[in-house]
Amino acid sequence: DTGVSQDPRHKITKRGQNVTFRCDPISEHNRLYWYRQTLGQGPEFLTYFQNEAQLEKSRLLSDRFSAERPKGSFSTLEIQRTEQGDSAMYLCASSPGFYNTEAFFGQGTRLTVV
Amino acid sequence: AQSVSQHNHHVILSEAASLELGCNYSYGGTVNLFWYVQYPGQHLQLLLKYFSGDPLVKGIKGFEAEFIKSKFSFNLRKPSVQWSDTAEYFCAVNFGNEKLTFGTGTRLTIIP
Repeated sequence: DTGVSQDPRHKITKRGQNVTFRCDPISEHNRLYWYRQTLGQGPEFLTYFQNEAQLEKSRLLSDRFSAERPKGSFSTLEIQRTEQGDSAMYLCASSPGFYNTEAFFGQGTRLTVV
Repeated sequence: AQSVSQHNHHVILSEAASLELGCNYSYGGTVNLFWYVQYPGQHLQLLLKYFSGDPLVKGIKGFEAEFIKSKFSFNLRKPSVQWSDTAEYFCAVNFGNEKLTFGTGTRLTIIP
């Protein structure tokens, strides 16, 4: 399968713990995006990378959130000191980076903070 | 503020019925428009997209959408739905920046 892959698929953590998610985009896709989706809502943009550079961060991305894409390939999203409000599906998407192309989504990581 | 509205939250249809799901956005500039579908337990998949040209676009699985610029709308249609179309449908708009803004989604249930 050459699509976007995310790991883990599910994560249950206790409030206050740190969690890290990984995203492997489609090979040779320059752009990588993170979105968050809560129940009954559409995905909301968190941040995106052009190669290894993080070019935009949403106001939704508080100081407890950090994302990296160290070599312009896979990306990680870390949440420190998790809160119950962080419970959501975290989606990764990638695109070739050219104008007028769509984003390809992974299956997401479902985070539950208890 | 730039936003996307999907007014139908849950639609229930019988097989072979015709489908139209509404999508409106608030912005007067150039936009790129998308419809994504999410089948149960699966990832978001692109149904169709509009960037420019013919405002009537055809996508996969018999879906089509019409961009009406004057109405800021991009409604999704299918003349005859099947049970396998049961899914959640998301309209998404690129407002000339690097991200997608999604609507809240429409859950479609097809009754056999």
